Amino acid sequence: GENVEQHPSTLSVQEGDSAVIKCTYSDSASNYFPWYKQELGKRPQLIIDIRSNVGEKKDQRIAVTLNKTAKHFSLHITETQPEDSAVYFCAASRGAAGNKLTFGGGTRVLVKP
Amino acid sequence: EAGVAQSPRYKIIEKRQSVAFWCNPISGHATLYWYQQILGQGPKLLIQFQNNGVVDDSQLPKDRFSAERLKGVDSTLKIQPAKLEDSAVYLCASSLGLLHSGELFFGEGSRLTVL
Repeated sequence: GENVEQHPSTLSVQEGDSAVIKCTYSDSASNYFPWYKQELGKRPQLIIDIRSNVGEKKDQRIAVTLNKTAKHFSLHITETQPEDSAVYFCAASRGAAGNKLTFGGGTRVLVKP
Repeated sequence: EAGVAQSPRYKIIEKRQSVAFWCNPISGHATLYWYQQILGQGPKLLIQFQNNGVVDDSQLPKDRFSAERLKGVDSTLKIQPAKLEDSAVYLCASSLGLLHSGELFFGEGSRLTVL
């Protein structure tokens, strides 16, 4: 089955700096890669996703890049703000989007004011 | 639009007891998922339904866990008998369906503590 590794497990950045989270996946047939944000005690929520026919996608301060050859994808947050503090999860699936999503272990991001 | 509803929010039981969790997905969402999230880890898929049929239950410990979605809407997840390692948050999620956007909408979760 799919295995998703996520690094780092914790990340502390100064407000205004950038944050980068990296994930690798094992199943070369995976073609859908979402990122979820989970604030303390709350439900995970989708913040951005990318499909295998696209190499990069951007939405305001967040962007995701995908390297299918190397089987890794990354989340980039620019101009970090205190409200970006949360746990971020990457995930991967094959076939229909959302089907049998496998999540990474999560990255706890702390933005220091 | 109402979100995914789950109950109970918290449950404390002793090992070997049984527990049941309930989930009501977003109206019109054909696909329903149960995930187990152990503290400090990512969610792990237990079972996925498409309407009232099971799409995947390969990671469901079937000797103690069971789930059903009889009328293709609400779902229940049962654990019997519970073990200490079942302590986790059980997240229910729903989506429009396998041919639509992949976004999963999660409920608030049911936190289980097994003593």
